Amino acid sequence: KAGVTQTPRYLIKTRGQQVTLSCSPISGHRSVSWYQQTPGQGLQFLFEYFSETQRNKGNFPGRFSGRQFSNSRSEMNVSTLELGDSALYLCASSLGGVETGELFFGEGSRLTVL
Amino acid sequence: GDSVTQMEGPVTLSEEAFLTINCTYTATGYPSLFWYVQYPGEGLQLLLKATKADDKGSNKGFEATYRKETTSFHLEKGSVQVSDSAVYFCALSLGSGNTGKLIFGQGTTLQVKP
Repeated sequence: KAGVTQTPRYLIKTRGQQVTLSCSPISGHRSVSWYQQTPGQGLQFLFEYFSETQRNKGNFPGRFSGRQFSNSRSEMNVSTLELGDSALYLCASSLGGVETGELFFGEGSRLTVL
Repeated sequence: GDSVTQMEGPVTLSEEAFLTINCTYTATGYPSLFWYVQYPGEGLQLLLKATKADDKGSNKGFEATYRKETTSFHLEKGSVQVSDSAVYFCALSLGSGNTGKLIFGQGTTLQVKP
């Protein structure tokens, strides 16, 4: 059974640019959630999508957005990048949703903003 | 609000030492509790869980008991190995009706030396 796949694994952008990250969940999982991980702030919840609907959103500015497609694949987009957006972005899939606590994480996309 | 507090790291132990990583929580309802582990360069993996008071979760030699009276879920292992070096996250979920709420602690880094 294939795991959660995130692409790209590493990317470097400059301030002001935008970036799109992709996440393919485990087959059959309808929930995809996104997290930002930094040394200073730890693991912070960005948002969750379930069957193409955003169910919950963390405390991030509107520059952070996401969507989910009918095949459950998800993308997140960050516009007008800032230096502070440098982080590891983790995607997790779940059969029943984030509240079940049983998440399967990808290896992450490491974003560096210069 | 609901929160999870973990002991600060890094925790440095010699191989075969006894491990305890403290985790306490604040929650308005009756949460389920989880421990996740993140090995270097990887995403998080669910290590163990407990869904009600006095439940003991266990996996790979790790154990944690859900203590409602002390609002704690401390992670223990009797004899750590170098391969246990990782970051450990405690998390809580309030389950259905609290869509998207999986709250992580800040993480505790464990370093095991040979």
